[in-house]
Amino acid sequence: ETGVTQTPRHLVMGMTNKKSLKCEQHLGHNAMYWYKQSAKKPLELMFVYNFKEQTENNSVPSRFSPECPNSSHLFLHLHTLQPEDSALYLCASSPTRVNTEAFFGQGTRLTVV
Amino acid sequence: AQSVTQLDSQVPVFEEAPVELRCNYSSSVSVYLFWYVQYPNQGLQLLLKYLSGSTLVESINGFEAEFNKSQTSFHLRKPSVHISDTAEYFCAVSDGYQLTFGKGTKLSVIP
Repeated sequence: ETGVTQTPRHLVMGMTNKKSLKCEQHLGHNAMYWYKQSAKKPLELMFVYNFKEQTENNSVPSRFSPECPNSSHLFLHLHTLQPEDSALYLCASSPTRVNTEAFFGQGTRLTVV
Repeated sequence: AQSVTQLDSQVPVFEEAPVELRCNYSSSVSVYLFWYVQYPNQGLQLLLKYLSGSTLVESINGFEAEFNKSQTSFHLRKPSVHISDTAEYFCAVSDGYQLTFGKGTKLSVIP
């Protein structure tokens, strides 16, 4: 149990579907992150939230829409995805945005068909 | 800007043999260094970290890494690997703000 929980663990969706990924952390952290992990590529930081405010968007296409209603929850809303968006999406948190350590969830394996 | 290079994408090793996973980094400022491990179908777990102080850091399951500032390296070592060490290992560097990961090294322990 890492303290960061992601649901669902697996998701298959069509290119016209709308779905959401959920992340919840029970660590009292104030910063939360979405990463994308694709085969043979380094982890890509997608979004950063610090105290519920989005502080970074690393040129992520608008078909990915994050939401952070409070410091414990983070969502990633998905719509009209492409097959190349298939990947493992990892949520992470850290005590503050000063990044000395990140705690990761188990990820959501997304397949776009 | 900072970057991390993991020199080997795959490392096969026999059980009970020693192993070294190499990591080099580049940064214009002082850094914090990490090794994360990812087991199949799991997220990343912190294995060990260097923040300051002793340049040799150890994990609870027998791994160790040494921060070498002059060579900008943070290689991971274990004197005797076990089947359960089969996983992917990621080196990461932080300037205190941005956490940057390497591409990962897949360690396969052969019985």
